[in-house]
Amino acid sequence: GAVVSQHPSWVICKSGTSVKIECRSLDFQATTMFWYRQFPKQSLMLMATSNEGSKATYEQGVEKDKFLINHASLTLSTLTVTSAHPEDSSFYICSARDLPLFNTEAFFGQGTRLTVV
Amino acid sequence: AQSVAQPEDQVNVAEGNPLTVKCTYSVSGNPYLFWYVQYPNRGLQFLLKYITGDNLVKGSYGFEAEFNKSQTSFHLKKPSALVSDSALYFCAVRLNTGGFKTIFGAGTRLFVKA
Repeated sequence: GAVVSQHPSWVICKSGTSVKIECRSLDFQATTMFWYRQFPKQSLMLMATSNEGSKATYEQGVEKDKFLINHASLTLSTLTVTSAHPEDSSFYICSARDLPLFNTEAFFGQGTRLTVV
Repeated sequence: AQSVAQPEDQVNVAEGNPLTVKCTYSVSGNPYLFWYVQYPNRGLQFLLKYITGDNLVKGSYGFEAEFNKSQTSFHLKKPSALVSDSALYFCAVRLNTGGFKTIFGAGTRLFVKA
């Protein structure tokens, strides 16, 4: 199946700094990518939908200035956690679909474990 | 409100026995249904999907799921569980409107005991 690569797999940063997470579709073009956050022993919470060439669509309650999303090409979306704080520590997962094949499954990156100290 | 329910936080089964992980949904229209599995500190791996057609869908690693429209259920099943099946399982529904977002259930942790 299609491959989505997420980098880095884990990162530790100091409070107040910014962290960038990359999500790449390796063998298909993804007009749309999705960013999720997962708390321990909980489900995935959709944070935003990343659209190539346009602004991301954020879910209610997600701070767009806190979580900057850039989708500059059909194979790359980035999530930047700005001015990170310990409460931002979480597991972040991206996914992408091979659009316009709507009935295909989404493929997920391996996730990024962010720890803010 | 549109939602996906996985009523069991955890399912325990002995190796070799059949397993069932339950999922019900409440969405408008004809949704697309998916099952994913997650291993610790990893992303989600696709298991199977129902789009249309035969209600019994076969997927990866011997898993299958049965779509029941009247009961709005999509239970995951496997005839004979393996210890290596122990993981976190998510049922998901893709909406056919509003950006085609995917809603995930809360997840069910499966423990298969040797």
